[in-house]
Amino acid sequence: GDSVTQMEGPVTLSEEAFLTINCTYTATGYPSLFWYVQYPGEGLQLLLKATKADDKGSNKGFEATYRKETTSFHLEKGSVQVSDSAVYFCALWVNNNDMRFGAGTRLTVKP
Amino acid sequence: NAGVTQTPKFRILKIGQSMTLQCTQDMNHNYMYWYRQDPGMGLKLIYYSVGAGITDKGEVPNGYNVSRSTTEDFPLRLELAAPSQTSVYFCASSLDSDRYQPQHFGDGTRLSIL
Repeated sequence: GDSVTQMEGPVTLSEEAFLTINCTYTATGYPSLFWYVQYPGEGLQLLLKATKADDKGSNKGFEATYRKETTSFHLEKGSVQVSDSAVYFCALWVNNNDMRFGAGTRLTVKP
Repeated sequence: NAGVTQTPKFRILKIGQSMTLQCTQDMNHNYMYWYRQDPGMGLKLIYYSVGAGITDKGEVPNGYNVSRSTTEDFPLRLELAAPSQTSVYFCASSLDSDRYQPQHFGDGTRLSIL
């Protein structure tokens, strides 16, 4: 069935390091792809999205490109900050009321 | 600026007890969802609603019930709590359910069944 697989964590980086969190998907249709972020003690917040192949979503310095040929939607940021420490979820919208989430990747950024 | 509000934030139940997790949203969203998040796992859909009076099962509905009497409220009920229901529960809402609409989440309810 439709699913999302994302890079296992935890990931620990130093401030200003480059971040990549891998996400690949399996889908029979034409999904939309999302990255959500969950800060400690809070719910998930939309970080960025892409609704069709080759779209690039971006927000707060984070970027992800919807690559149909590799079925991927990897999250990247050029220079992480301590405030970016959170859990990141890749998600797949397949059809009405069917959103599939990855297991989440915990990122810790050290000063 | 409330968005999606869940209560309580934490709860401990004994096996066999019942409780209702409350969820309310002030964005006039049509769609509402309940998810559970188990350690190291992604979110799994329990139930969803497409509008007042209409609910349907998600991926893991067993042991839960829901109702949607108003647009704003979507409570989740556990009738006979079991240890397997220990989890973090998230309520979410969206204006519509299409490829462009993100879901808006509450802060979660952490539930332990002992």
